[in-house]
Amino acid sequence: EDQVTQSPEALRLQEGESSSLNCSYTVSGLRGLFWYRQDPGKGPEFLFTLYSAGEEKEKERLKATLTKKESFLHITAPKPEDSATYLCAVQVITGGGNKLTFGTGTQLKVEL
Amino acid sequence: DTAVSQTPKYLVTQMGNDKSIKCEQNLGHDTMYWYKQDSKKFLKIMFSYNNKELIINETVPNRFSPKSPDKAHLNLHINSLELGDSAVYFCASSQWSDVREQYFGPGTRLTVT
Repeated sequence: EDQVTQSPEALRLQEGESSSLNCSYTVSGLRGLFWYRQDPGKGPEFLFTLYSAGEEKEKERLKATLTKKESFLHITAPKPEDSATYLCAVQVITGGGNKLTFGTGTQLKVEL
Repeated sequence: DTAVSQTPKYLVTQMGNDKSIKCEQNLGHDTMYWYKQDSKKFLKIMFSYNNKELIINETVPNRFSPKSPDKAHLNLHINSLELGDSAVYFCASSQWSDVREQYFGPGTRLTVT
């Protein structure tokens, strides 16, 4: 069965303290790996799509990378506004169509 | 100019009742989804519709019945509510050709007492 595991479950950083979030996956035929950001009380917001090992995407202080078994979301010099839950998802092909399988997320809190 | 909207935002009801959640998107997308997010923040797909046609049904109890009157709307009706149905339900939409970039609604927090 397709599985997506994220670690750590929660991460507390000081402003400016860089770190990485991990997403490891076990799927039969990866079509793409996606990162979403979810703020409290809101729906997930799309951040990145990665399709093949070695690919990297950047957006402001965030950089996502992909290997054959996992993806990392690197946060450089984070600010309090980066506090959110970061969700990783993989695209799998079912008998009926495409779907996203999500991990349980990493809750990030950035403090002053 | 809300992209994906859901009503109601909060829903508190008793076991055994029947309730509906409505979803509308104004992005011109042709595919819509319902997700359930449990207390541990695990987000799991329930259904997807493409051009009003059911595409994915993820082994959801028959008490849950989605209905798509047109491409812009996907409603979720739940019969005989149970305590375990308490969760946040998210509607999302995408273009079928780009199913990965999904736009989510604000969620409906359902509490069954």
